[in-house]
Amino acid sequence: GQQLNQSPQSMFIQEGEDVSMNCTSSSIFNTWLWYKQDPGEGPVLLIALYKAGELTSNGRLTAQFGITRKDSFLNISASIPSDVGIYFCAGYSSGSRLTFGEGTQLTVNP
Amino acid sequence: EAGVAQSPRYKIIEKRQSVAFWCNPISGHATLYWYQQILGQGPKLLIQFQNNGVVDDSQLPKDRFSAERLKGVDSTLKIQPAKLEDSAVYLCASTSVRGYNSPLHFGNGTRLTVT
Repeated sequence: GQQLNQSPQSMFIQEGEDVSMNCTSSSIFNTWLWYKQDPGEGPVLLIALYKAGELTSNGRLTAQFGITRKDSFLNISASIPSDVGIYFCAGYSSGSRLTFGEGTQLTVNP
Repeated sequence: EAGVAQSPRYKIIEKRQSVAFWCNPISGHATLYWYQQILGQGPKLLIQFQNNGVVDDSQLPKDRFSAERLKGVDSTLKIQPAKLEDSAVYLCASTSVRGYNSPLHFGNGTRLTVT
């Protein structure tokens, strides 16, 4: 099946810094989704992307659907302590199930 | 709108015992999924239902795992007998359409520990 390579695996930043993480695949994807998971909870959808080149924002979060359709990026600006958690990319390739990356663990130091 | 409900939140069992998890999706959501999330990994699909029919169970270990959604609403996932490597969080998710290209809405999961 499809595999998503998510990086970095973990990040330790200071409050107020910007954050960038990405997801790549060897296969073409038709939809990219970014989720955040807090401890003891299920993943919560942050941003959904449906077209190559699409750039979408949700507050301080911005995500892009790569032109090649094989990658996606998530940026968080001016990080705050509540941004702590695990961020997952996920995507649909043609006719397949939703595939998740392995996650980026974000730690924000006040 | 109420979210996806799952119970129990936690379960500890010994290997070779049986266990069952329950999920009630968002009202009106026809598509229901069960995912397994091992610590430090992303969720992996076990089974997908469309109403009361199975759409994809290719990754379900059928020798020990079973799932049903008899009336097309709530669902149960069973493991019998459990192995140590089944220790994970079992997440239920739902969408209002068939699922292709649709974001999934997740419950908070059941954390299973097999000793």
